[in-house]
Amino acid sequence: DVKVTQSSRYLVKRMGEKVFLECVQDMDHENMFWYRQDPGLGLRLIYFSYDVKMKEKGDIPEGYSVSREKKERFSLILESASTNQTSMYLCASSYGTKGQPQHFGDGTRLSIL
Amino acid sequence: QKEVEQNSGPLSVPEGAIASLNCTYSDRGSQSFFWYRQYSGKSPELIMFIYSNGDKEDGRFTAQLNKASQYVSLLIRDSQPSDSATYLCAVNSPNSGYSTLTFGKGTMLLVSP
Repeated sequence: DVKVTQSSRYLVKRMGEKVFLECVQDMDHENMFWYRQDPGLGLRLIYFSYDVKMKEKGDIPEGYSVSREKKERFSLILESASTNQTSMYLCASSYGTKGQPQHFGDGTRLSIL
Repeated sequence: QKEVEQNSGPLSVPEGAIASLNCTYSDRGSQSFFWYRQYSGKSPELIMFIYSNGDKEDGRFTAQLNKASQYVSLLIRDSQPSDSATYLCAVNSPNSGYSTLTFGKGTMLLVSP
């Protein structure tokens, strides 16, 4: 089974802090994704990566950056956290280039105070 | 703008009935279609995928795809209270050149005992 592990299940940070969310997958997948999910807005893609050191902006990249130094690890960075970044953050991974299924981690519920 | 549309629900069915969940998509070039189940406070879990027109069955679940009508559905037979969840439809985005998916906002299913 695919295992996608997110470093924290719940996280509370303060406005202006730099926040790191970590994600690790164990299936040698090329593709990794960061989403946020908010009530009524569904899943929105923040950033994705299709290879080590490669990254692409999703639909809502503003206020976020990412890092992929190793194939199995994809980090989401909130450079200066704001209250409107309070959300559920979901990491996913997949293989290939033809729309294979994505497998999700358990999610990180992030609160910015 | 690629779109995936789902009725938000809730769809209420009695235990033992057939639940029918529907999804339409706008990108005619899409080739991969997925159904995810998401329990409240949890992350999405892949339950079905379909690539070809017609029906695909897996236990109590049947996915149906009609590419001409740009329509995909999920049937759940003998619905159980444990099936109560939000069901997300996802469709691949081939024109993006990457292995991204577009998600609908989900349909909430409530199965009453």
